[in-house]
Amino acid sequence: RKEVEQDPGPFNVPEGATVAFNCTYSNSASQSFFWYRQDCRKEPKLLMSVYSSGNEDGRFTAQLNRASQYISLLIRDSKLSDSATYLCVVREGIFQTGANNLFFGTGTRLTVIP
Amino acid sequence: NAGVTQTPKFQVLKTGQSMTLQCAQDMNHNSMYWYRQDPGMGLRLIYYSASEGTTDKGEVPNGYNVSRLNKREFSLRLESAAPSQTSVYFCASSGTGGTGDYEQYFGPGTRLTVT
Repeated sequence: RKEVEQDPGPFNVPEGATVAFNCTYSNSASQSFFWYRQDCRKEPKLLMSVYSSGNEDGRFTAQLNRASQYISLLIRDSKLSDSATYLCVVREGIFQTGANNLFFGTGTRLTVIP
Repeated sequence: NAGVTQTPKFQVLKTGQSMTLQCAQDMNHNSMYWYRQDPGMGLRLIYYSASEGTTDKGEVPNGYNVSRLNKREFSLRLESAAPSQTSVYFCASSGTGGTGDYEQYFGPGTRLTVT
């Protein structure tokens, strides 16, 4: 059983389209949620944290549904520069020593087509 | 402010050779982590260090050792490389506790090939 599951895609969408990714997590006690963006052959970079009430950052909207244990990311008005892999990340708490215990999904690949 | 830096960027090893991957952060973070990323597997935690002086095993520690040299630096050593260790290795750091401290920041990665 994977801790975090994502549809790997790929999602190929035209510029200007709206696209949504979903992610499910298995541990109901998970505490924090994030979306990271990873460009080809680059490191993951934090896109946004996901708050219980949902949050928006420009064209990006993240939502959390604790009852169904899923997280979503909506991208409106897609740009060519949005082409990347989007990683769903769940924090299940902290290790005894205090470091964060994160689980990463395998990522959903998005290609925005001109 | 460089964030998290890693060296080397690329490395090719022969089976049985050893090497050390270096990582440093300048964000005054307490916690540091080493991950490997393989196709279709997502990032998996190898070792982590919650603070200077402590290190602990993650999900896939076999074949690796680590050293938390000081608050800034956290190195990963492969004592006897195996082809199964061919991967991309990422170092990351984070604060501990408090809003925003749970986010991890990653270095640029090391692409390692073991032949």
